[in-house]
Amino acid sequence: RKEVEQDPGPFNVPEGATVAFNCTYSNSASQSFFWYRQDCRKEPKLLMSVYSSGNEDGRFTAQLNRASQYISLLIRDSKLSDSATYLCVVNGAIGYSTLTFGKGTMLLVSP
Amino acid sequence: ETGVTQTPRHLVMGMTNKKSLKCEQHLGHNAMYWYKQSAKKPLELMFVYSLEERVENNSVPSRFSPECPNSSHLFLHLHTLQPEDSALYLCASSQMTGGGVFGSYTFGSGTRLTVV
Repeated sequence: RKEVEQDPGPFNVPEGATVAFNCTYSNSASQSFFWYRQDCRKEPKLLMSVYSSGNEDGRFTAQLNRASQYISLLIRDSKLSDSATYLCVVNGAIGYSTLTFGKGTMLLVSP
Repeated sequence: ETGVTQTPRHLVMGMTNKKSLKCEQHLGHNAMYWYKQSAKKPLELMFVYSLEERVENNSVPSRFSPECPNSSHLFLHLHTLQPEDSALYLCASSQMTGGGVFGSYTFGSGTRLTVV
């Protein structure tokens, strides 16, 4: 099983649609979870952290299910500017550790 | 300057050249990283420096040589690269804590390297 696995994509949606991204991770000891956004030929940028209780930031909602080792990102009312690749990111283990990135899911929002 | 800055933004080099990538962070973080991003692959960790000490070397070929002279600067020295080393090289920094849970990374804008 890959360390961090995401929907392969791309997702093509019209403006205003709701889209959900799914991610699973293999290390049950992981402690930190994030969604990053990467625009074409740019560096990844933090979109939001993911907390066990779930968290929301405007049109974006992130959920974490530790029992299933599953993370999700929901985008409501999609905008053209949401077009990007969304990366699921998990830290590896206890102690100093590094972040492991999923391959990313591309989202294309069309008019 | 703020955040993480990387230079150069683009680099084309021959297989016999020697070049260096530079990264500087202005965030007061205590850890810095080099990642490689190739087309259709996830980001691959290359090196980690925590408090200027290399703590991880992810089986990277010796033609890549990192250097971290202080907590704000990180270099990646390149020599005798292969065409398959062409990729986007990203530097990142973060704040590591002792509790095992730490914050996210801040990335530089990357160096797009082409080896000819």
